[in-house]
Amino acid sequence: KNQVEQSPQSLIILEGKNCTLQCNYTVSPFSNLRWYKQDTGRGPVSLTIMTFSENTKSNGRYTATLDADTKQSSLHITASQLSDSASYICVVSADTGGFKTIFGAGTRLFVKA
Amino acid sequence: EAGVAQSPRYKIIEKRQSVAFWCNPISGHATLYWYQQILGQGPKLLIQFQNNGVVDDSQLPKDRFSAERLKGVDSTLKIQPAKLEDSAVYLCASSLDRTALPYEQYFGPGTRLTVT
Repeated sequence: KNQVEQSPQSLIILEGKNCTLQCNYTVSPFSNLRWYKQDTGRGPVSLTIMTFSENTKSNGRYTATLDADTKQSSLHITASQLSDSASYICVVSADTGGFKTIFGAGTRLFVKA
Repeated sequence: EAGVAQSPRYKIIEKRQSVAFWCNPISGHATLYWYQQILGQGPKLLIQFQNNGVVDDSQLPKDRFSAERLKGVDSTLKIQPAKLEDSAVYLCASSLDRTALPYEQYFGPGTRLTVT
């Protein structure tokens, strides 16, 4: 069964600190993995996308890693800011001829001053 | 480039009433998606259109939910009659083509539905 599991469910950190969010998936055949940021009351916005051959991708202070062998991904946030407070959703697409997409439940990040 | 537009942004109805949501995707995007996002959960795909044809509606509760995409552009999602468990945010997204990379979905702001 295609599944995407994220941990932790929620996280509280102090402004300026780093944090890492985890994503484990059982999706086959794997096509690509995305991390989305969803601010409260907004739709998700794409941060990074990685295909099978890529194991790291950066977008400013966000760095995503992918281990296709262990089917794990992480999103590292450096020098967190108050505006990083949001839900971070891991999304994995399976190449079934039309790219079936499976969403994780998200990690809710709270950055405190 | 204009983003995905949705309306209304908020809707409060009583159970057993009907409600409709509207979505205007990014111009030129062939694929349109409707998602249901319950508080604290990730989005769940309800229905996916390729132009004006349905690609995947396996998780759409067809006894009460319906969707259409006339002329392959705008789309409407309807719930009739609504139940308390339908309270959620309904997200619309679009992408250029469901079979081509980069498979980037662009989301609208969502419609928050409260059923009382």
